[in-house]
Amino acid sequence: AQSVTQLDSHVSVSEGTPVLLRCNYSSSYSPSLFWYVQHPNKGLQLLLKYTSAATLVKGINGFEAEFKKSETSFHLTKPSAHMSDAAEYFCVVSDGYGGSQGNLIFGKGTKLSVKP
Amino acid sequence: EAGVTQFPSHSVIEKGQTVTLRCDPISGHDNLYWYRRVMGKEIKFLLHFVKESKQDESGMPNNRFLAERTGGTYSTLKVQPAELEDSGVYFCASSISFNQPQHFGDGTRLSIL
Repeated sequence: AQSVTQLDSHVSVSEGTPVLLRCNYSSSYSPSLFWYVQHPNKGLQLLLKYTSAATLVKGINGFEAEFKKSETSFHLTKPSAHMSDAAEYFCVVSDGYGGSQGNLIFGKGTKLSVKP
Repeated sequence: EAGVTQFPSHSVIEKGQTVTLRCDPISGHDNLYWYRRVMGKEIKFLLHFVKESKQDESGMPNNRFLAERTGGTYSTLKVQPAELEDSGVYFCASSISFNQPQHFGDGTRLSIL
């Protein structure tokens, strides 16, 4: 069975400093991985996706993630945090085989706080 | 292009009552998904429609939950009778095909008193 583990429930950074949100996955085959973001009282917005092409994936708003098969990781990074980045971030794997086509399996989420 | 729309945004009902949540997917999206986040837990898959057919309902918690998608357009999720543990945020998502990214609505926050 596929799963994702987000290693931090809460991360706090200062504005202008780098962001690192950690995610490890478990999959018996090559997974499709995603990062979604949820701002308060809003829906989930897709930041980026990995689908077995380039291992370094660039997303919206300056975020990127690197797929590392040897470490089973898909960490999300951004060089310089902005106040508007404060939100909850979800690492997600797609259950894309068998009867559950494309259903998403979510991590528990990481709340990112950005201090001025 | 209009996004995924969910109604209502909030619902507060008493235990034992019935509530119906509605989701309007992006036009042309055959795939429609329901997810739920119970407080303190991760977001969990409930079910998946392809057009009007239920492709996978393995995540539905019990028979108090009934989902429909008549005509393959909007979908409803009815909870009858509601229990305290049904409180949470219910998300709907749609995609043009199963291997394309899912677009989410803002969710319905359901509170059972």
